[in-house]
Amino acid sequence: SQKIEQNSEALNIQEGKTATLTCNYTNYSPAYLQWYRQDPGRGPVFLLLIRENEKEKRKERLKVTFDTTLKQSLFHITASQPADSATYLCALDIYNQGGKLIFGQGTELSVKP
Amino acid sequence: DTAVSQTPKYLVTQMGNDKSIKCEQNLGHDTMYWYKQDSKKFLKIMFSYNNKELIINETVPNRFSPKSPDKAHLNLHINSLELGDSAVYFCASSQDPQDIQYFGAGTRLSVL
Repeated sequence: SQKIEQNSEALNIQEGKTATLTCNYTNYSPAYLQWYRQDPGRGPVFLLLIRENEKEKRKERLKVTFDTTLKQSLFHITASQPADSATYLCALDIYNQGGKLIFGQGTELSVKP
Repeated sequence: DTAVSQTPKYLVTQMGNDKSIKCEQNLGHDTMYWYKQDSKKFLKIMFSYNNKELIINETVPNRFSPKSPDKAHLNLHINSLELGDSAVYFCASSQDPQDIQYFGAGTRLSVL
């Protein structure tokens, strides 16, 4: 069966450390993978998109990797800050599905000062 | 100026009622979506419209009917509401079906 899983529901780290979030999937052939941030009571906000033929993408303190052999994406936040505390969602865009995004259940990141 | 706006933000209603949620985007996008986020935070697509045409219709009860009067609006009508319909409903839009999606703030529906 098709599945997309994010490694943990909650992740607690100290300010200044690197947060690493994992997204694994099975039985999908994604065209690309996206990461979104969701704050309580708000809608998801797009962060980064990585295509199947790209290994890594960076944006400021954010880095995403995509390994289609392992069927895994890693999302890193370096020099984390309390303001980075939020739920992070990975989403797969499947070929020829009209833009249908399959979301993981999210990882709630808490960065302590 | 909010890019994707949904109304109302909160909706509390009795079982059996019919209700609507409105969504408008001012981004000039061609594609709009409705998602449901349940109590376990899973975000699941329900419908998608591209240029006012339905392109994604997931396994959703017939009680849910999307309506797109124009490219900037996608409304969601729900008939005969049930307890299990309680969730947060998000509207989103993108330039085209393969593009980044922009989400509204959500409508929290509570069916009593």
